[in-house]
Amino acid sequence: DGGITQSPKYLFRKEGQNVTLSCEQNLNHDAMYWYRQDPGQGLRLIYYSQIVNDFQKGDIAEGYSVSREKKESFPLTVTSAQKNPTAFYLCASSPEGDTQYFGPGTRLTVL
Amino acid sequence: GIQVEQSPPDLILQEGANSTLRCNFSDSVNNLQWFHQNPWGQLINLFYIPSGTKQNGRLSATTVATERYSLLYISSSQTTDSGVYFCAVDQGGSEKLVFGKGTKLTVNP
Repeated sequence: DGGITQSPKYLFRKEGQNVTLSCEQNLNHDAMYWYRQDPGQGLRLIYYSQIVNDFQKGDIAEGYSVSREKKESFPLTVTSAQKNPTAFYLCASSPEGDTQYFGPGTRLTVL
Repeated sequence: GIQVEQSPPDLILQEGANSTLRCNFSDSVNNLQWFHQNPWGQLINLFYIPSGTKQNGRLSATTVATERYSLLYISSSQTTDSGVYFCAVDQGGSEKLVFGKGTKLTVNP
């Protein structure tokens, strides 16, 4: 099946730990994106990548890091520097000049 | 940066009713998209509509770019239409989307 997968679905983290969220797509899309959603809010862009080995900061990049070593994969690391990481994280991909397609999301909770 | 405002923030309907959701944006845009987020969090694309009108079944959307707004029409609503509807815009170049805060729709049987 073609699509975007995110794992894990739920993730619990202790304060001070780094965690990595996975995002994989087999749609052959060049661009990939990470968004954060807080309760009752819209999505805010964390990082995006339009091509392999290149990525750009979005509006709320502080405390996060990404890599884009393969076209299919765009993992997001939530570092201990992110002060309020509890949120719903959504990954998306898109072909050039077209709509974005979203994965099912990862709910991160800091204990 | 560009501002995206959606109204109403909440909407409660009886099954079978029609509704109109509005999205206003503060600057010119390269494209505009409507999404539906179901109760489990999955976002589904509804329309990619920088201008003009599109229809898909019971849903249709109109964007008037010169007046900086878009409307999403839902006719004969069903309980499965419940969820949050988001409008998102991009101003060109990087295809970065800026989202509104959404309209939460509840359709009661």
